Amino acid sequence: GAGVSQSPRYKVAKRGRDVALRCDSISGHVTLYWYRQTLGQGSEVLTYSQSDAQRDKSGRPSGRFSAERPERSVSTLKIQRTEQGDSAVYLCASSPRGDNTGELFFGEGSRLTVL
Amino acid sequence: AQTVTQSQPEMSVQEAETVTLSCTYDTSESDYYLFWYKQPPSRQMILVIRQEAYKQQNATENRFSVNFQKAAKSFSLKISDSQLGDAAMYFCAYRRRETSGSRLTFGEGTQLTVNP
Repeated sequence: GAGVSQSPRYKVAKRGRDVALRCDSISGHVTLYWYRQTLGQGSEVLTYSQSDAQRDKSGRPSGRFSAERPERSVSTLKIQRTEQGDSAVYLCASSPRGDNTGELFFGEGSRLTVL
Repeated sequence: AQTVTQSQPEMSVQEAETVTLSCTYDTSESDYYLFWYKQPPSRQMILVIRQEAYKQQNATENRFSVNFQKAAKSFSLKISDSQLGDAAMYFCAYRRRETSGSRLTFGEGTQLTVNP
C-alpha cells in the first residue's frame, strides 16, 4: 500500500502569509506527528494528534502553529503569519494502532521557504 | 527530558569498508526504543534498525548492526561492506515506550559519504 505522502513538496511564501501543508498517512495509522527539520536545530516535534482528536496536542505550543485532522488519515499543518525563521523542511510521520514496534513512518517532507 | 547526541557531523568511508556512527542519549526511563533512521536526498526518513531497551542482544539487519550499551547510554551503528547507496544523513533517535503518542527525539545527524 501507499506510504505517507505530503503536499506540496515545495512551498514559497511571502512573510506574513498563512501556509497550509497536507499529510496523507497510512490507512489504519492512528497517531500523526509533525516535525520541523532545520540545519541549525535538527528535527523537533511540533505537534501530534491521535485518531480521536481533531485538534492537535502540541509538542511545542505556539499560537502560530496548529494541526487539524479533517479525516482520520489526513492532517493539515497550518502556519499563520509566517516568519523567515519558519523556513524549514516539515516532516509528517504516523504510527499504527497498537504501535508495538515503536517505529514512525515518515513522508518525504514539505520544504517551506519564507521570503 | 530525553536528549540524543551524535558527535560526528560528517563521516566518510570507502566502498566495501566498515564504518561506525556514534550516538549517546540521556533518559531516566528504563523501557524505550532506539532507532537509526536514514535520510537520503529525497528526504524521506527510512528506518534502518531498531533496538528495544529491555533486549540485551544487539539488533542486526543484514549489513547493519548496533552496539547497544544500556548502562553507558550508547547506541552506535556499524555499517559493513559499505555501498554507494548507503550515502545519506543518519539520525539516531529515542522513543519512550508508550501505548501511543510518544514522540521520537532525534540526534543532530551524521552525514555519511561513501567514496568509490
